[in-house]
Amino acid sequence: QVQLVQSGAEVKKPGSSVRVSCKASEDTFNSHAITWVRQAPGQGLEWMGAIIPMFGTVKYSQKSPGRVTITADKSTATAYMELRSLRFEDTAVYYCARAPFHDMYLWKYITLWGQGTLVTVSS
Amino acid sequence: EILMTQSPATLSVSPGERATLSCRASQSISSNLAWYQQKPGQAPRLLIYGASTRATGVPGRFSGSGSGTEFTLTISSLQSEDFAVYYCHQYNNWPPGDSFGQGTKLEIK
Repeated sequence: QVQLVQSGAEVKKPGSSVRVSCKASEDTFNSHAITWVRQAPGQGLEWMGAIIPMFGTVKYSQKSPGRVTITADKSTATAYMELRSLRFEDTAVYYCARAPFHDMYLWKYITLWGQGTLVTVSS
Repeated sequence: EILMTQSPATLSVSPGERATLSCRASQSISSNLAWYQQKPGQAPRLLIYGASTRATGVPGRFSGSGSGTEFTLTISSLQSEDFAVYYCHQYNNWPPGDSFGQGTKLEIK
């Protein structure tokens, strides 16, 4: 069964960092971009950024410049999202999702989502 | 970054009736628009892509239309399982970066 499996829930202090992992299949890595989307409690979906593992292309949302790093390890078909300098308002469920890509710069709609990882920022 | 605006924020409709949800883009995105359904505690589910193509397994009562900046999701005869939050998503890739609408909550009247 095709799926994206994310790492478990995290509780972090303000100012610290968190890294969320997303385990995919080799087939997914060869034909899809991995997108990161977050959802604060009771709020909507916010696109954070995406990576095309096959080419290493990465794009980020203009809303979180400099605090987010998205990477991918092709040897293990695992994508990562690191968020630094955590703030209380970063408390959210973080989803990874896959979107088929056109070419090395462009991708399409999201076809599959991970189960989500709750990151709680608390002092 | 392209701003996506959904309306209304909440829509109250009776089962069996028709629901029409709107999504507007701040600039043209051609047909690079998808719709997702999200139920409490679950990840979103793809319903429509390319503005009007139903995803695999999506019932025929869901339909999408529009292009450019104005888009519509229509649910022709609401079933109990359709009451959820619906999001539009633009993946135009230019200017760089995707974005989502803020969501429309479809509730039972």
